[in-house]
Amino acid sequence: ILNVEQSPQSLHVQEGDSTNFTCSFPSSNFYALHWYRWETAKSPEALFVMTLNGDEKKKGRISATLNTKEGYSYLYIKGSQPEDSATYLCASNAGNNRKLIWGLGTSLAVNP
Amino acid sequence: NAGVMQNPRHLVRRRGQEARLRCSPMKGHSHVYWYRQLPEEGLKFMVYLQKENIIDESGMPKERFSAEFPKEGPSILRIQQVVRGDSAAYFCASSSTGEQVYGYTFGSGTRLTVV
Repeated sequence: ILNVEQSPQSLHVQEGDSTNFTCSFPSSNFYALHWYRWETAKSPEALFVMTLNGDEKKKGRISATLNTKEGYSYLYIKGSQPEDSATYLCASNAGNNRKLIWGLGTSLAVNP
Repeated sequence: NAGVMQNPRHLVRRRGQEARLRCSPMKGHSHVYWYRQLPEEGLKFMVYLQKENIIDESGMPKERFSAEFPKEGPSILRIQQVVRGDSAAYFCASSSTGEQVYGYTFGSGTRLTVV
């Protein structure tokens, strides 16, 4: 059974702080790693899909890295803003199948 | 270009009734996935469908649950004889073949409450 784990479970930061959190996944038979942002009362929104070891992706103040050999990905937020408050989910699908296994998410609260 | 449309947003059913949840994928997407989120838990895969075919239903409970994605019309997740434990948020997502680049597009979910 494939387990995707995220840490920390929740995080409170002040506006302007930079922060990061972790997603770990089994490295064997890796295919892709997804990051999603999920605001309360909305639907998950895709941030990044990463497939290559060493890959780095960036969208505005948010970036992510991927290490497929050791089975982890980091999500970084630079200069957090209150609108960044959301749950950040990662998911992985091992092997060439489309069934994503999801972590439980990191809940981020940014205080103004 | 409408995203993934799910309806209804909220559904209340009495124990023993049937629940039908609908999902219209994003235009151009031919792959549909259903996920369930139980209270205090993460998203759990239920089923993956393409038009007229169930590709992977390994996450579906063996009884009372079924899904279809007909040639015409939305995908339907059907729960027969609902029980209180079926109360959850059910999310649908869709993708094109390029989801490894763009990811999945999610609907807003249907929140089922069984009373």
